[in-house]
Amino acid sequence: QVQLVQSGSELKKPGASVKVSCTASGYTFTTCTIIWVRQAPGQGLEWMGWINTNAGNPTYAQGFTGRFVFSLDTSVSTAYLQISSLKDEDTAVYYCARSKIYGSGTYSDYWGQGTLVTVSS
Amino acid sequence: EIVLTQSPATLSLSPGERATLSCRASQSVSNYLAWYQQKPGQAPRLLIYDASNRASGIPARFSGSGSGTDFTLTISSLEPEDFAVYYCQQRSNWQHAFGQGTKLEIK
Repeated sequence: QVQLVQSGSELKKPGASVKVSCTASGYTFTTCTIIWVRQAPGQGLEWMGWINTNAGNPTYAQGFTGRFVFSLDTSVSTAYLQISSLKDEDTAVYYCARSKIYGSGTYSDYWGQGTLVTVSS
Repeated sequence: EIVLTQSPATLSLSPGERATLSCRASQSVSNYLAWYQQKPGQAPRLLIYDASNRASGIPARFSGSGSGTDFTLTISSLEPEDFAVYYCQQRSNWQHAFGQGTKLEIK
């Protein structure tokens, strides 16, 4: 069965960096893109962007350029989200999800469990 | 940038009632629209893709309609497990933004 398993919660100080992993199983990793979504406490979903697991090229949403980096290690079917120069407002749950072609477009059908990143001094 | 506006922000209904949730796009997204359900402490779940197609395992009481800029998610008869937050998401251009969500709560 398809699963996306994310790394555990992180507590970081402002200015530090964090790297969240998302390990896929149950399907061929390079056949679906991976997207990243942020959800601040009590807030809605924010689409951060995606990474093409075949070519490895990332696409970032407005507001998620510069400090946010998507990467891959296809040998272990894992996607990574790295955030540098952390700010208090980066405190959120970060989700990965796979996007697969359904009908006319690609949609996110399997999601990781989420990783809580807390930024606090 | 395409902006999705969901209404109402909160919908209070009782089990057995019909729920109608709206999502309006700032410009046409054709039928490239999805609906997701999110319960507290859980990841979102894909309900509807291409505006009107139910994802695998989604009960028939969930239906989606619309195209262009106006979309609707209908739950024909609410079950207790349907009370959650619902998000629409457009997949039309390269920015796949979500709407701000509609909270469906028990009246």
